[in-house]
Amino acid sequence: QKEVEQDPGPLSVPEGAIVSLNCTYSNSAFQYFMWYRQYSRKGPELLMYTYSSGNKEDGRFTAQVDKSSKYISLFIRDSQPSDSATYLCAMSDPFNKFYFGSGTKLNVKP
Amino acid sequence: NAGVTQTPKFRVLKTGQSMTLLCAQDMNHEYMYWYRQDPGMGLRLIHYSVGEGTTAKGEVPDGYNVSRLKKQNFLLGLESAAPSQTSVYFCASTEPGTSAYNEQFFGPGTRLTVL
Repeated sequence: QKEVEQDPGPLSVPEGAIVSLNCTYSNSAFQYFMWYRQYSRKGPELLMYTYSSGNKEDGRFTAQVDKSSKYISLFIRDSQPSDSATYLCAMSDPFNKFYFGSGTKLNVKP
Repeated sequence: NAGVTQTPKFRVLKTGQSMTLLCAQDMNHEYMYWYRQDPGMGLRLIHYSVGEGTTAKGEVPDGYNVSRLKKQNFLLGLESAAPSQTSVYFCASTEPGTSAYNEQFFGPGTRLTVL
């Protein structure tokens, strides 16, 4: 079983839609939960990170963590064509090792 | 302040050839990582280093060697390239910390094709 599972998509939505991206994990030792955005032929860029269970909001983006269910989500409100990218969830353990999901490719159609 | 840089950006090798990928960071980070990214597989950790002179194996270390002779540089070597090593390679760096979050910064990637 992989440490982090993520639905690879692809996901295609119309502009303005609410997007929900999800990951599950198996390691209870994970401390930080991250979402990266990766445009084609570029390196991943950190979008958001969270530490505890609950919600964290940043503009149109909301990250949600449920440690009891080992489930994290990223919601994108009012999605824009510029949001079209691959979104990677990631988690870190107490030893600063990072574990990534396989990525979900999102396409927002104008 | 360039962040994390990788050399080269692209490379084509023949099976059996060797090469070294160079990663450099100017943020004085202790931790450095090498990942490979394949379609549908996400990022997989090859090797990492927690400080100058140290290296450790990650999830997929076979066929690769690394060295961290200087704090700012992390080298990834392929001694005898195989087609299965065709991939995009990313280097990353961060500061260690358990009480606070430290962002992992990524380089732009190296696209390697092994024929």
